[in-house]
Amino acid sequence: DGGITQSPKYLFRKEGQNVTLSCEQNLNHDAMYWYRQDPGQGLRLIYYSQIVNDFQKGDIAEGYSVSREKKESFPLTVTSAQKNPTAFYLCASSIVTRSYEQYFGPGTRLTVT
Amino acid sequence: AQKVTQAQTEISVVEKEDVTLDCVYETRDTTYYLFWYKQPPSGELVFLIRRNSFDEQNEISGRYSWNFQKSTSSFNFTITASQVVDSAVYFCALSEFRDDKIIFGKGTRLHILP
Repeated sequence: DGGITQSPKYLFRKEGQNVTLSCEQNLNHDAMYWYRQDPGQGLRLIYYSQIVNDFQKGDIAEGYSVSREKKESFPLTVTSAQKNPTAFYLCASSIVTRSYEQYFGPGTRLTVT
Repeated sequence: AQKVTQAQTEISVVEKEDVTLDCVYETRDTTYYLFWYKQPPSGELVFLIRRNSFDEQNEISGRYSWNFQKSTSSFNFTITASQVVDSAVYFCALSEFRDDKIIFGKGTRLHILP
């Protein structure tokens, strides 16, 4: 079945450690996105990528990094520079970036203590 | 600047009642797209509908219907004969044609009580 997978579902880390969240899609979509969701805040865009080896910052990119070496994969690294990393992280993909609906993965809940 | 407002933070209704979720948007573009997503307790957002700015026809899909009114910049979502499985957070979203991004509202948490 086509879809987006994110692993793990729950992730726990100590403060000061970098952590990488996985996102894989087999929908053959060109565009991929990372969002952060906090209670009552809706979804905020961290990074997005329109094509392999290219990506752009979203609204809250500070403290995060991404790579897009393969069309299917768009991992997100939460660095120690991110001041408040505990959140629910959602990955999405779409056919192209403009105007098309995005399809979401199940999310990763990151807790940093 | 584009903006999406979902003024209803949380709504509770009894099963079988009809419920309308409000969405008001702001954009300076004449070409734009509107979306609704459902986020059940599992966390994954589920795409429900996409509507472009040139198509003001209302849409019905089973118990779901959408009312798009450009005159009031609104794109409201109605669930008829609600069911407990409709309990979720619902997000309205906007994408301007020139933009690569979708802007989401803050969501409305809907509780359907048995």
